[in-house]
Amino acid sequence: NAGVMQNPRHLVRRRGQEARLRCSPMKGHSHVYWYRQLPEEGLKFMVYLQKENIIDESGMPKERFSAEFPKEGPSILRIQQVVRGDSAAYFCASSPQTGQGGIYGYTFGSGTRLTVV
Amino acid sequence: QKEVEQDPGPLSVPEGAIVSLNCTYSNSAFQYFMWYRQYSRKGPELLMYTYSSGNKEDGRFTAQVDKSSKYISLFIRDSQPSDSATYLCAMSATGNNNDMRFGAGTRLTVKP
Repeated sequence: NAGVMQNPRHLVRRRGQEARLRCSPMKGHSHVYWYRQLPEEGLKFMVYLQKENIIDESGMPKERFSAEFPKEGPSILRIQQVVRGDSAAYFCASSPQTGQGGIYGYTFGSGTRLTVV
Repeated sequence: QKEVEQDPGPLSVPEGAIVSLNCTYSNSAFQYFMWYRQYSRKGPELLMYTYSSGNKEDGRFTAQVDKSSKYISLFIRDSQPSDSATYLCAMSATGNNNDMRFGAGTRLTVKP
């Protein structure tokens, strides 16, 4: 079991470019969550997806950010026209279910570190 | 005021010391309380999970929840250099993962 796979591990983009972050959940997990982590600010929830559906995007910035989890393939977090303030570590987590049972199975990937220059 | 407050440290202790990590929170609806450990350049991993108030022990780790004071703690006994990591508290009102709120994390170093 390869765990939650995120790639790339490091991504450098110039201001104005697009960043695409990929997340493959653990085998058997159908729930995917994206977080952003800034130094000394902890993990901030961004979006929760199931296959082909966005369940909760209450933490997503209204502009430039989008996420998808297609029927086939990894979940994608897309940031358009990146700015320096988007520099952060972005983590993906997956779980087999939601609710209390989901807490035990909640597994994080190693993150993608985005640097905007 | 943040929903979850956690002193970011850093905290440095000698090997064998007892470590106390704490979080306070403002949302009285929180019922599920977690502690995650995050090694450098890695994702967080679940360490302890407690529902409602009380204590829970697992090996060298003890989690305490005091809902009346809105205060949770993680104690590490006989700390080891391998315990050096950032510890994040997390809590949820519903038990749903998208409802989870994290503290900023406390960076711990255990010196041999």
